[in-house]
Parts: sequence; C-alpha cells; structure tokens
Amino acid sequence: GAVVSQHPSWVICKSGTSVKIECRSLDFQATTMFWYRQFPKQSLMLMATSNEGSKATYEQGVEKDKFLINHASLTLSTLTVTSAHPEDSSFYICSARGSVTSVGEQYFGPGTRLTVT
Amino acid sequence: GEDVEQSLFLSVREGDSSVINCTYTDSSSTYLYWYKQEPGAGLQLLTYIFSNMDMKQDQRLTVLLNKKDKHLSLRIADTQTGDSAIYFCAERGFQKLVFGTGTRLLVSP
Repeated sequence: GAVVSQHPSWVICKSGTSVKIECRSLDFQATTMFWYRQFPKQSLMLMATSNEGSKATYEQGVEKDKFLINHASLTLSTLTVTSAHPEDSSFYICSARGSVTSVGEQYFGPGTRLTVT
Repeated sequence: GEDVEQSLFLSVREGDSSVINCTYTDSSSTYLYWYKQEPGAGLQLLTYIFSNMDMKQDQRLTVLLNKKDKHLSLRIADTQTGDSAIYFCAERGFQKLVFGTGTRLLVSP
C-alpha cells in the first residue's frame, strides 16, 4: 500500500515552454502533498507543501509564479514549471501524506527528470 | 534551525554489516526516518523510530537513537549488493521533513 506515482518519468522541453508534472496517490487519500527538487548528488530540497483544496505554501526562495502547484483532489497534485529555462533542469520528486500514514511518514513518487534545452 | 548531517560515503563488502550515522539538531522531533534512494528513483521508506524509543529492529535493519546526543544510526546486517544506494535520514520538523545530506553506500562482492 501507500503507492505514489508520477508522470512523466522524464521530459525534455525547449527553453521558454511550460511543463506539467503529475503526482498521484494510488491507494490512499493524500491530504498533504510535497514537491521536492534534487540536484545531482545532493539532498532533497523542499519546494512547497500543498493541502487539498488550499493554496500551496512555498519555501523561501521558491518562485510561486514559476512553479505552479495545484492540489485539486485528494489523489492528484500537479507541478507546472512555467517558462522553463536550462537552470530549471533537475529531478523533481513529489511526496504524499495522508490518513493511512499514522506515524506521519511520507511516501515518495519515483521522480521526474526534467531537462530544458 | 534544523540541520541534519550524514557522512557522505560508506564502502563495505558483501556479507558485512553497514552502519550509517546521522546527527540532527531539532530536539523536538517526534519521529526520525530512514529512506533509501536507488539511482534515478524516488525515496523508499525503510523504517522509522519514535523519539521515545532507543532501538528498533526490523529484519536486517536496526535503528539506534541516542536522543541525548541527537544521534541516529542505521545498521544493515548481512549487507547485499542490492543494498547499494543512497540512504537519507530525516527528522520531522515543524510540519515537514528535514533530510540529511545522504550517505552513498557501496557494497562490493
């Protein structure tokens, strides 16, 4: 149980275009979803936290107009990278936490590798 | 602020035990976690420990918590080549997880 999927697993886009990444909790309701960014050989950096039906809370230094997060249902959150640039190339990982996670643990998706050319 | 540190690299031989260490700063953490990340993949929750526990064992995994020293360790018994990965400890800070820097475990045959 507690499976989180992400789509796509990798994407290549041209500079200036927008890219949407989907995160789904497959077998539980995710009241809270998190979006992380990971650079090569580094730890995860939390970008934002979203609760279903509410606006996302962004971490300091993360541009909310550039990284649009929508958490419209208890099983789906999306991250849209708007007007992507090469420096946005990274590994993006979502995570979900819900009522089944009684000890507060988060379950992670497999990640999406974004390359902006 | 919250800060979680780990040694960067550990190399062991197959069949040996591995011990990955972690230090944290937030004494109010209620849960501490260990995650495993294989190349190009997301994080897999391995185990967790509640802050009022000293030790937790789960098959080949043993977690030790020294709350006084804010030190957490993960011992993997009979380490296998499939255990090669990056291991992250994490503490639950205020409403969010704070991850360590990650320890890359290399298991050689």
